[in-house]
Amino acid sequence: NAGVMQNPRHLVRRRGQEARLRCSPMKGHSHVYWYRQLPEEGLKFMVYLQKENIIDESGMPKERFSAEFPKEGPSILRIQQVVRGDSAAYFCASSSTPRETQYFGPGTRLLVL
Amino acid sequence: KQEVTQIPAALSVPEGENLVLNCSFTDSAIYNLQWFRQDPGKGLTSLLLIQSSQREQTSGRLNASLDKSSGRSTLYIAASQPGDSATYLCAVGGTGGGADGLTFGKGTHLIIQP
Repeated sequence: NAGVMQNPRHLVRRRGQEARLRCSPMKGHSHVYWYRQLPEEGLKFMVYLQKENIIDESGMPKERFSAEFPKEGPSILRIQQVVRGDSAAYFCASSSTPRETQYFGPGTRLLVL
Repeated sequence: KQEVTQIPAALSVPEGENLVLNCSFTDSAIYNLQWFRQDPGKGLTSLLLIQSSQREQTSGRLNASLDKSSGRSTLYIAASQPGDSATYLCAVGGTGGGADGLTFGKGTHLIIQP
């Protein structure tokens, strides 16, 4: 029973490029959450999605960031026109139902040069 | 806005000792509380989940308690081992972090000396 999978594990982008982060939830989980961990800071909630729906995006920056969880395939967190301040570890978590245990992936470490 | 505080920020103890990590939160309107461990450069491993209606949960050498009315939780680790060295994170589900997102503390960095 594979856990939450994220790829790539490490991503390097130059300022102005786009970053696409992928998350495959645990088998049977239809609830996906994205979090960001900035250097020397705690994890911050970004967005919560169910299949084909964004349920809560209260933690997402208003510009350049978007997320989707299509009917088929992984959830995608997309960052357009990256800036150095976007350098962070991005974690995805999944759960079988809302408000139950969230299981985290290994994270994608984004470095913007 | 929900805020989660963890004390101490760092802790170093000899192997074999029992220890307590503390977590406090400002808004008691939570639906659950989770404890995680994070190893350097790795993801989070879920340790224990306590629903808001529960007082404590146990798993092996770990015991977590929840006092929702006072906004506190503790993680008790018995007979600590060097393999317990990690950062321990407390997170609450409820207000502030989005309806179903978690609000995290900054963690307690634990070192168990062999």
